[in-house]
Amino acid sequence: QSPLTQPAYVSGSPGQSITISCIGTSSDVGRYDYVTWYQQHPDKAPRVMIFDVTNRPSGVSNRFSGSKSDNTASLTISGLRAEDEADYYCSSYTSSTTSVVFGGGTKLTVL
Amino acid sequence: QVQLQESGPGLMKPSQTLSLTCTVSGGSISSGDFYWSWIRQHPQKGLEWIGYISYSGRTYYNPSLKSRFAISADTSKNQFSLKVNSVTAADTAVYYCARTPGQYCSFTTCRQFDSWGQGTLVTVSS
Repeated sequence: QSPLTQPAYVSGSPGQSITISCIGTSSDVGRYDYVTWYQQHPDKAPRVMIFDVTNRPSGVSNRFSGSKSDNTASLTISGLRAEDEADYYCSSYTSSTTSVVFGGGTKLTVL
Repeated sequence: QVQLQESGPGLMKPSQTLSLTCTVSGGSISSGDFYWSWIRQHPQKGLEWIGYISYSGRTYYNPSLKSRFAISADTSKNQFSLKVNSVTAADTAVYYCARTPGQYCSFTTCRQFDSWGQGTLVTVSS
């Protein structure tokens, strides 16, 4: 059981928008704006897509956006493309262990 | 652009000591304000931060893990390493090394990792 809860699977058609949720608690997602989203293609290293809830690193498409409400963070991908098909992980700082914790990951399928 | 590459034994027997090395190229591990972490991913499961070593050599470990882990650095080779004592099947995972700019680290952890190695699979089996 991962500290942060993500849906195991999400799918969408090219051009559509999808949202992946990341449910935490008042000790992590709900308290700190320290949520990061990673994209991981098969046999590749994870890549930061969003950090500190809403910020995009340079080089990441503006089709990727992040948000947070209460204890739930969300990653939205608009204008879905085939290359977006990957696993996505969220992470957050948590005061319960003063460490960083991760979600279990969401497999995105582009139909 | 910094690159990280893990190396390790692949297959271990229970109770042995696991040693992994991360070789960094494109930047010095002892200069600049960067922290160097180990993260693992159990099969079909999420990620778990193990700990870090800072550019100045300070280490910190995930308090949720038992004290079997040790991170060290060899600045002459621009490498940092992870040792895990008394491995069990529960230590079977892909092990990643990763980098974090210091502004995203506190005394106890780093909250994001901007560069990662490709990962190395470690299997613990008798």
